[in-house]
Amino acid sequence: GDSVTQTEGQVTVSESKSLIINCTYSATSIGYPNLFWYVRYPGEGLQLLLKVITAGQKGSSRGFEATYNKEATSFHLQKASVQESDSAVYYCALSNTGNYKYVFGAGTRLKVIA
Amino acid sequence: AQTIHQWPVAEIKAVGSPLSLGCTIKGKSSPNLYWYWQATGGTLQQLFYSITVGQVESVVQLNLSASRPKDDQFILSTEKLLLSHSGFYLCAWSLWDRGTLYFGAGTRLSVL
Repeated sequence: GDSVTQTEGQVTVSESKSLIINCTYSATSIGYPNLFWYVRYPGEGLQLLLKVITAGQKGSSRGFEATYNKEATSFHLQKASVQESDSAVYYCALSNTGNYKYVFGAGTRLKVIA
Repeated sequence: AQTIHQWPVAEIKAVGSPLSLGCTIKGKSSPNLYWYWQATGGTLQQLFYSITVGQVESVVQLNLSASRPKDDQFILSTEKLLLSHSGFYLCAWSLWDRGTLYFGAGTRLSVL
């Protein structure tokens, strides 16, 4: 079946430094799965950060970017300069063609320190 | 604006007791509905989805069942809870297959 693998555990980054959270996927269908990054801020619900539906497309939101790399089957999340308010748990996810199923990675906890 | 409400916010239940969790979506007609479960320290696992009233598809077998009695309501239940049912349950909706999922606030379940 489909699967998503992302940077495990916690990532600690100093404020204003760059961030990358790795995400690779395996999709069983021939077509292009839709790819997502979701985020859960402390005390809040799980919400969409960004999504892309086409290979080569870059999604961006709140200073975060992720590019759909079909050849590498990757969708890494990057930010040039993190802030303390970015501290949250980030989930990479995919949804494949025609099966109403969404597969999530294990989540990466980002801690930004001053 | 669309809203999604889950109830209860938290439950503490005994092993072997019944369970019913609910989810209501307002402001959107005929949404696709989903149940997800997350064990402590685990990943989000899709349990069920429904694309229309009265029709529910199981994705993972965890001795749970789901029903969609109304267009805007999704119920998760079991007659006998197991310790392994503990965790965080999330309801979500989307407009179409592979579309953005919109999540409720979740229900935290502790089975003792």
